[in-house]
Amino acid sequence: GDSVTQMEGPVTLSEEAFLTINCTYTATGYPSLFWYVQYPGEGLQLLLKATKADDKGSNKGFEATYRKETTSFHLEKGSVQVSDSAVYFCALSQTTGNQFYFGTGTSLTVIP
Amino acid sequence: DAGITQSPRHKVTETGTPVTLRCHQTENHRYMYWYRQDPGHGLRLIHYSYGVKDTDKGEVSDGYSVSRSKTEDFLLTLESATSSQTSVYFCAISGLAGRDEQFFGPGTRLTVL
Repeated sequence: GDSVTQMEGPVTLSEEAFLTINCTYTATGYPSLFWYVQYPGEGLQLLLKATKADDKGSNKGFEATYRKETTSFHLEKGSVQVSDSAVYFCALSQTTGNQFYFGTGTSLTVIP
Repeated sequence: DAGITQSPRHKVTETGTPVTLRCHQTENHRYMYWYRQDPGHGLRLIHYSYGVKDTDKGEVSDGYSVSRSKTEDFLLTLESATSSQTSVYFCAISGLAGRDEQFFGPGTRLTVL
């Protein structure tokens, strides 16, 4: 069945460091891929998405490229800020299905 | 922000008691979902609905039931709560299946003693 695997956390970075959070998926066909962010005490918010191969989703300085050949959707940011401290979830959905499949989440802490 | 509210936001109950959580949306979205979030497991789907009175089971549906009598409300019921159901519960909505993103409510923290 469909699934998402993302890198284990927690991740701790200094402010202005480069961020990569790895995400790989297993799915048939051409799923849509998403990154969600969850700040403490809140629900998940959509950060970015990509709906077809080679698409790049971007938002708030974060980027991720849909790589079908490597079944990956890694999240990157060139210079993290303290305010980026949160839990990040990779997810996929199929056009023919009703469900999302989430990774287990990666906790990011950015220290000044 | 999508108009999704959950009630209650916090609840403490005792083992064996029934509990109902409510999700209310003002977006007129067709699809509604209930997830639970636990450390090390991420989000796991409990039940979802694809229309009024149309529901289906998710990955961890045992011990839970749902009902959707109106487009805007999706209820999650724990018939007899157990300590293993202590969790944070999130409701989500989606306008279209598949490529459309899900929008999440603020969550309900449930503690079963």
